[in-house]
This record gives sequence, C-alpha cells and structure tokens, in this order.
Amino acid sequence: QKEVEQNSGPLSVPEGAIASLNCTYSDRVSQSFFWYRQYSGKSPELIMSIYSNGDKEDGRFTAQLNKASQYVSLLIRDSQPSDSATYLCAVNGDSGNTGKLIFGQGTTLQVKP
Amino acid sequence: GAVVSQHPSWVICKSGTSVKIECRSLDFQATTMFWYRQFPKQSLMLMATSNEGSKATYEQGVEKDKFLINHASLTLSTLTVTSAHPEDSSFYICSARSGTRSTDTQYFGPGTRLTVL
Repeated sequence: QKEVEQNSGPLSVPEGAIASLNCTYSDRVSQSFFWYRQYSGKSPELIMSIYSNGDKEDGRFTAQLNKASQYVSLLIRDSQPSDSATYLCAVNGDSGNTGKLIFGQGTTLQVKP
Repeated sequence: GAVVSQHPSWVICKSGTSVKIECRSLDFQATTMFWYRQFPKQSLMLMATSNEGSKATYEQGVEKDKFLINHASLTLSTLTVTSAHPEDSSFYICSARSGTRSTDTQYFGPGTRLTVL
C-alpha cells in the first residue's frame, strides 16, 4: 500500500525562526509532490509543488526533494503566527496521469509570538 | 488563481435522508474532479475520481451505491450521499484540475461539512 508519512507534531517554533517539515513516501514511481496548508475547519490550499530533485524557492517557502531517499521537505523562513496551521504533504498516487493524490496525515505547526 | 466552489458549505440532515453536494470550477474547465472526505484530526482520504461524461472511479472501500457521483459538465460534479447515517458525518472536499498531466495542480473547494443526526 502506497504511503506518505509525516510527523503529526505539533511542531512549535518561535516567531522569526525557520520551521522544517518533513515527509517520506513509499512509492518510487511518484513524480509529483505538493505541500498544502490547511487551517482548522478549512480546506487545503496549495503552497508549493516540486517535481525535480533539489530545492525550489517561493518567497519564504522552500521545498526540497530527494527522490533517491524518497523524502520531500518544506522550509518556512521567518515564521509568522499566521503560518500556524496543518501542513499536508501530497504525492501523486500512481505512475499515470489520473491525478490521484495520496496525503500524509499532516504536521501541525505552531508559531509562537 | 483557479477557483472551485462548493455548495452547500454546511448541511444538517436526519438519518436516512439523501444529501447532494455540488462542486463547481468557476474560471476553468475541469477535466477531472476528485472527492475527498476528512474526519476530525485525520488527513484527506480520496473517495473517488470523476471525469466529465464517464463513470466515476471509486477508491477501495467506498460504496459506489451510497456515494453517487455525477460529473455532468466540465464545470460541475455532484456527490450525493444516499440514506445518510451519523457515521457519514464528515467534511467533504472536492478538488478539480484542468489538465491531464500528473503535474497539473489540483484546486480545492472550500468543503462541505455534513452532520447527520
């Protein structure tokens, strides 16, 4: 069974610090990786997508992908209290183009003022 | 960015009744729509994949006769929970994508919170 694993947390960081969120996946054929942010009671919103090994930066967010080790991470620089949410890692669920995503259980981030 | 809407945003119904949830892509044509369910403090679980004009593909363990999906057009998919029971109470979220590549982004609707009494 294909799995996406995340530490549920909570991960607590002080305001202004770097938050590091990690995710591992089991299926080597996965090609597309996504980080979503979900506030309590709301639906997920896309933060980053990454498809190639290495780093991808977008503002305060950096996604890192290492396919050989089957992990993907998200770094949040200068963390703000508004970043407090659950971060979901999602991986495409098959080698085709169905678009199916498998989600991890999410990591709860708490940024303390 | 692409916008996906859901209606209603919340619904309370009696056990045994049916509830229909609509998912619309407002500013793009969705080749594929997805339906997820999320229980409290759990992650999203894919229920089914819906392509316009064809039958939905259900995930293992999801009852197709209980969760009826109709993808009538490139901008509308509906999920009907038939004979709802309290255990069906959950947060139902749809998503849509415009392309057919695995790299194409899925845009999520705001979700529908269903409570069955």
